[in-house]
Amino acid sequence: EVQLLESGGDLVHPGGSLRLACSASGFDFNNYPMSWVRQAPGKGPEWIALISGSGGRTDYADSVKGRFTVSRDNSKNTLYLQMDSLRVEDTAMYYCAKDWGISAPFDYWGQGTLVSVSS
Amino acid sequence: DVHMTQSPSSLSASVGDRVTITCRASETIDMYLNWYQQKPGKAPKLLIYHISSLQTGVPSRFSGSGSGTDFTLTISSLHPDDFATYYCQQSFFIPRTFGRGTRVEIK
Repeated sequence: EVQLLESGGDLVHPGGSLRLACSASGFDFNNYPMSWVRQAPGKGPEWIALISGSGGRTDYADSVKGRFTVSRDNSKNTLYLQMDSLRVEDTAMYYCAKDWGISAPFDYWGQGTLVSVSS
Repeated sequence: DVHMTQSPSSLSASVGDRVTITCRASETIDMYLNWYQQKPGKAPKLLIYHISSLQTGVPSRFSGSGSGTDFTLTISSLHPDDFATYYCQQSFFIPRTFGRGTRVEIK
């Protein structure tokens, strides 16, 4: 059974940093791209970052480019999101999502971890 | 970025009703249109991928259709478990973009 479990969400001040983690199990983690998708309160989902199975390719939404960094440790079956220079508008539930391939949908999602940015 | 426009933004329906939700992409996205269902406090769940393919375990009352830029999600006979918010999403371009959602409420 595929399981994705996010952690690391917290309340942080504007300008601060946070590192999210997503622990994966139930599938060959290193064979699949992974994404981070966030959802602000009352809004639709927003894709923000993608990393290839090997970790050699990453893509970012313009809203986080230069501030967030996605990475993975395939030996630990774990996906990460380093979030720097956080803004109030980054407040959202952050989900990791399994991506089953090029131009594919997100077939599994974690339960999410909440990031709140406030002074 | 490809903009996804869903309509309606919300609808009220009764158990047993046929429900149709539309999604329009701002440019052609080939077959790479997906639909998700989200219930309050939960993560989105994949229902339909590549316009019309049902994800494993999704009831056959859900169906998808369309081509190019115009797509439709249909629930043939609404069940109590179907009251939720539905999102379309394109996976052809980066950034992957979602519609703003259609909330299906009980009449």
